[in-house]
Amino acid sequence: DIQMTQSPSSLSASVGDRVTITCQASQDISNYLNWYQQKPGKAPKLLIYDASNLETGVPSRFSGSGSGTDFTFTISSLQPEDIATYYCQQYDNPLITFGQGTRLEIK
Amino acid sequence: EVQLVESGGGLVQPGGSLRLSCAASGFTFSSYWMSWVRQAPGKGLEWVANIKQDGSEKYYVDSVKGRFTISRDNAKNSLYLQMNSLRAEDTAVYYCARVAGAFDYWGQGTLVTVSS
Repeated sequence: DIQMTQSPSSLSASVGDRVTITCQASQDISNYLNWYQQKPGKAPKLLIYDASNLETGVPSRFSGSGSGTDFTFTISSLQPEDIATYYCQQYDNPLITFGQGTRLEIK
Repeated sequence: EVQLVESGGGLVQPGGSLRLSCAASGFTFSSYWMSWVRQAPGKGLEWVANIKQDGSEKYYVDSVKGRFTISRDNAKNSLYLQMNSLRAEDTAVYYCARVAGAFDYWGQGTLVTVSS
């Protein structure tokens, strides 16, 4: 199975900061990598698909990059409503795996 | 509007069984792979199972193989998860999700608690 190593596990930043989360796959997954946002008590929400494509309706301050084994998720200017846990997820094969999650807090 | 509505969760004793359902609407259900994803209390997301459009292919995470069965009824626009031999570690919110490469739509989740 493909393992996804996401870091950091938690992050504290100020409003307006640039925030970066990384995800590393245990083997080459091309661009089969998605990013989700989950707020407490809610279902996850798709933000970025296929490593770098912004889902419809998602603010442009969210972006993703990478291919192969190394991926990055960025919030260009942190907003209060971005407080959530973020997950990467690979789908290179039908055995899907998620990263461990990054809990984002406001400093 | 795409909607996924799970039901069937509840409290069950270890070793017991439960069947989850997911009612889909607002899209052509038979055209999509579907999945179950779970989240234990205070923990991260864990993919559980996938099923192909016609039900001919099914995949499971190792921890549920032989105990859980994913199925679908395209005539009823419904997805199911039969869970047998339940363990305490199966306690989680279970989400159904539409697969379009990514999980682009999710239900609200149904809580399964395995406890004596």
